Amino acid sequence: GESVGLHLPTLSVQEGDNSIINCAYSNSASDYFIWYKQESGKGPQFIIDIRSNMDKRQGQRVTVLLNKTVKHLSLQIAATQPGDSAVYFCAEDNNAGNMLTFGGGTRLMVKP
Amino acid sequence: NAGVTQTPKFRVLKTGQSMTLLCAQDMNHEYMYWYRQDPGMGLRLIHYSVGEGTTAKGEVPDGYNVSRLKKQNFLLGLESAAPSQTSVYFCASSSVKSTQYFGPGTRLTVL
Repeated sequence: GESVGLHLPTLSVQEGDNSIINCAYSNSASDYFIWYKQESGKGPQFIIDIRSNMDKRQGQRVTVLLNKTVKHLSLQIAATQPGDSAVYFCAEDNNAGNMLTFGGGTRLMVKP
Repeated sequence: NAGVTQTPKFRVLKTGQSMTLLCAQDMNHEYMYWYRQDPGMGLRLIHYSVGEGTTAKGEVPDGYNVSRLKKQNFLLGLESAAPSQTSVYFCASSSVKSTQYFGPGTRLTVL
């Protein structure tokens, strides 16, 4: 079936560097995408979202890019901090009810 | 505004025992969801509800039942727990076509 997936299961970056976490999706009907951050022992926390009528959206230190042509989603974190260490999930809403399909997650490790 | 809360936080059951997990949200959301998360895996949808008095099956519904008697509460029941149901359970809620907000999780171990 169609699903959301991630290219890199683990990403290790130096503190202060920028991080890029990627996600591929296969359902062309998906029109809403979300990035979640999950710290150890906690529930997923909303970071940023984007709708399919946009190709870029910025938050505080985070930017989400959407490329519908190649069905690719990315999360960019500027000046990565130790507190950014977590597992990051992308999720898509395939426009068939209020359901989300989650990717398997990417672990971001920030080295001091 | 507490958001989404879950009780209990931890539970250990013996095979065959039953239990109910409670989820509560104070955001007046129509939609509520129960997921399970296993090591190294993403979130899998067990059951969901699109409004008070309604429930529907998700991706992995077998062995679970749910009820949504009040808009703010969504209960997940295990009638006869099995070791395969050892997992971390997350509840979430959302308004129509928007972000799902998650609770802190319940860690369940079935011996």
